[in-house]
Amino acid sequence: EIVLTQSPGTLSLSPGERATLSCRASQSVSSSYLAWYQQKPGQAPRLLIYGASRRATGIPDRFGGSGSGTDFTLTISRLEPEDFAMYYCQQCGSSLSGTFGPGTKVDIK
Amino acid sequence: EVQLVQSGAEVKKPGESLKISCKGSGYSFSNYWIGWVRQMPGKGLEWMGIIYPGDSDTRYSPSFQGQVTISADKSVSTAYLQWSSLKASDTAMYYCARRDSISSGGSYYYGLDVWGQGTTVTVSS
Repeated sequence: EIVLTQSPGTLSLSPGERATLSCRASQSVSSSYLAWYQQKPGQAPRLLIYGASRRATGIPDRFGGSGSGTDFTLTISRLEPEDFAMYYCQQCGSSLSGTFGPGTKVDIK
Repeated sequence: EVQLVQSGAEVKKPGESLKISCKGSGYSFSNYWIGWVRQMPGKGLEWMGIIYPGDSDTRYSPSFQGQVTISADKSVSTAYLQWSSLKASDTAMYYCARRDSISSGGSYYYGLDVWGQGTTVTVSS
């Protein structure tokens, strides 16, 4: 089973700063199957990025995804107040597995 | 509007059985995989398993195989998650989500694009 590791565990930044979140897989993952989600307290997760780099419908262009193989990155170019939240990567595997990473919390510095 | 609506919060005792539901609307329910995700209090997201309502093909995460049963009734556009004997450690929020495949440039890309609002399950004596 593929294991996903996210770093850092917590990222403390100020509004307007750039956030870079990492997701590393224990074995190679097809980019087609790598997704990122945002979750705010008391809410269901929301799909941000699918296929490693494609923004989901309605997601602002300050969110960007990149990477391949075992290393993937979510970048938020300029943090807005509503971006402070938890972020999870997930591999939606070809075998219909769906492992999530442990998450990165982006909080206000 | 495409949406998944989950059943309401449950409070149960250890050893009791439970079945929670996830009803889809606004799309062809039979043609999309529905996944279930657990989130224990203050913790991250855990993948439980997935079902294709069209033929009830079901896959479980190894961590949840034998612990829960995932089913679906396409006639009422509803997926289910059930336990035969609850434990205190089953206390959590449970989400259902639709697995979408998006075609672009001849390739397909995948993600959980629509989520239910979550069902809180509390197991306590």
